[in-house]
Amino acid sequence: NAGVTQTPKFQVLKTGQSMTLQCAQDMNHNSMYWYRQDPGMGLRLIYYSASEGTTDKGEVPNGYNVSRLNKREFSLRLESAAPSQTSVYFCASNPQTGLSNQPQHFGDGTRLSIL
Amino acid sequence: AQSVTQLGSHVSVSEGALVLLRCNYSSSVPPYLFWYVQYPNQGLQLLLKYTTGATLVKGINGFEAEFKKSETSFHLTKPSAHMSDAAEYFCAVTPGNTGKLIFGQGTTLQVKP
Repeated sequence: NAGVTQTPKFQVLKTGQSMTLQCAQDMNHNSMYWYRQDPGMGLRLIYYSASEGTTDKGEVPNGYNVSRLNKREFSLRLESAAPSQTSVYFCASNPQTGLSNQPQHFGDGTRLSIL
Repeated sequence: AQSVTQLGSHVSVSEGALVLLRCNYSSSVPPYLFWYVQYPNQGLQLLLKYTTGATLVKGINGFEAEFKKSETSFHLTKPSAHMSDAAEYFCAVTPGNTGKLIFGQGTTLQVKP
């Protein structure tokens, strides 16, 4: 009963390095989301994918790219990491597309530090 | 723009006391409302949700929340706090016909023995 799985759990990068955060869900959900969590700011949406083959920008997309590889997997890429991207990143999924009264299911997060 | 405001970034209560975490939202259309809890070094877990119907919603671990449209509020309560309730709590809204969640800033609940 894995739910949403994120890898890695922890990572330290140097400024300018690139990295891909992986997310996979085994619940056959349609929608997937990437958030970042910073102290005092709650969770902010970076990118989302309402269905396989589609991606859209959220509130804070600058410096990130995403790929919805298939229905299960949704990856987040930092092309040139900056200290401002130090954060905890959460992936989430939702069974529905568009209007949704269903809750999102969250992974355990990736804690990313950029020096 | 839609927004969610949680009043008080830190709330401290004694074990056995009433827990009240406040949440106000702005939305131009009827929203779906959620409360999530986050324990240290973990992801978010759903406590409860309001979609339609009864405005008093019961969730897990003895928590409940009441949707008050006239006050645009969705405050979370629990009659008697337990040490295990210490965590961070997030109110979130899905406005209109999108699946996106807008989160409040979070409230850290401390429970004192």
